[in-house]
Amino acid sequence: AQTVTQSQPEMSVQEAETVTLSCTYDTSENNYYLFWYKQPPSRQMILVIRQEAYKQQNATENRFSVNFQKAAKSFSLKISDSQLGDTAMYFCAFTNFGNEKLTFGTGTRLTIIP
Amino acid sequence: DTGVSQNPRHKITKRGQNVTFRCDPISEHNRLYWYRQTLGQGPEFLTYFQNEAQLEKSRLLSDRFSAERPKGSFSTLEIQRTEQGDSAMYLCASSPETGYHEQYFGPGTRLTVT
Repeated sequence: AQTVTQSQPEMSVQEAETVTLSCTYDTSENNYYLFWYKQPPSRQMILVIRQEAYKQQNATENRFSVNFQKAAKSFSLKISDSQLGDTAMYFCAFTNFGNEKLTFGTGTRLTIIP
Repeated sequence: DTGVSQNPRHKITKRGQNVTFRCDPISEHNRLYWYRQTLGQGPEFLTYFQNEAQLEKSRLLSDRFSAERPKGSFSTLEIQRTEQGDSAMYLCASSPETGYHEQYFGPGTRLTVT
């Protein structure tokens, strides 16, 4: 069974600083996708960034980037120039290629301090 | 693109009553998913449809739970004889058949069983 572990239940940083959220996963598969989702307080979950396991290049989306280490089964999210609107729960998620369900970690609650 | 919608947004019911939730996916998406999220946890997969066919069900989906997607458009999730342990946020997501397995989430239905 696949598992996703987020070891940081809560984090807080000052506005404009850089923060890194950690995620590790366990799978015996070789082809899979990894995602970071953001769930703001009382709002719906939105996709932040995705990574295909067969791609060595780390994905980036504006201020968001990942550090994907396939051998270590690690998938961390870096948020640069953090903004107040980044305050949210962040979930790391995994799905095998050909399998439709997402497996989520327990989340990291990120607070950006003005 | 109006996004995934879910109704009702909140439901309070007494133990033993039946409840039904509705999900309307993004119109061109043929895949639809249900997840359950309890406080402080990541979403857990319940079931998945491709068009009108229910292709996978989690062990979490007990006999009291049933989901349908009769015409491959909207879906309903019914819980019979609700229990207090059913209190949770029920999330619906949809995705297109092609692409990177990105799932787009609705705002959820928060169920409280008293």
